[in-house]
Amino acid sequence: DGGITQSPKYLFRKEGQNVTLSCEQNLNHDAMYWYRQDPGQGLRLIYYSQIVNDFQKGDIAEGYSVSREKKESFPLTVTSAQKNPTAFYLCASSYTGASHQAFFGQGTRLTVV
Amino acid sequence: RKEVEQDPGPFNVPEGATVAFNCTYSNSASQSFFWYRQDCRKEPKLLMSVYSSGNEDGRFTAQLNRASQYISLLIRDSKLSDSATYLCVVNIYNTDKLIFGTGTRLQVFP
Repeated sequence: DGGITQSPKYLFRKEGQNVTLSCEQNLNHDAMYWYRQDPGQGLRLIYYSQIVNDFQKGDIAEGYSVSREKKESFPLTVTSAQKNPTAFYLCASSYTGASHQAFFGQGTRLTVV
Repeated sequence: RKEVEQDPGPFNVPEGATVAFNCTYSNSASQSFFWYRQDCRKEPKLLMSVYSSGNEDGRFTAQLNRASQYISLLIRDSKLSDSATYLCVVNIYNTDKLIFGTGTRLQVFP
């Protein structure tokens, strides 16, 4: 079955540590996205990528980094520079072109302890 | 000003009621529009796309007013299972950038 997979589902991190969240899709989508969602809030765009080896900053990129070495994969690193990393992180993918819907992974809940 | 704004609610309505959600967007380069549904602690899922002429899918009707930069979602005959957060989403022209509103929470009670 085609889909988008995020791992792990839950992640605990100590303050000052970097951590990488995985996102893999087998939908043959060119575009991939990372969003952050805080309790009771909407989704805020961190980074997005329209094609391999290229990505763009979203609205809240500070303290995060990404790579897009393969079409299927778009990992997100939460660095120690991110002041308040505890949140629900959602990865999505879509075909490029405005009319296409985005499909989401099940999300990763990151907690800083 | 946020690029996509929604009334956060919550909207508390009885079963069978009709409820309407509004969404405004600020970027005139917005090209495509969607409504997503998000259940508690789950990922968002597409409810429906929004077309210029308006469109309907069963009990759900979406409208777009480009002149006023305004999108709406109407739910008729509300069911308990409609309880969720409804997210307005805008795609910016030529960028593939998807911007989400903060969402409107709906609670349908018996």
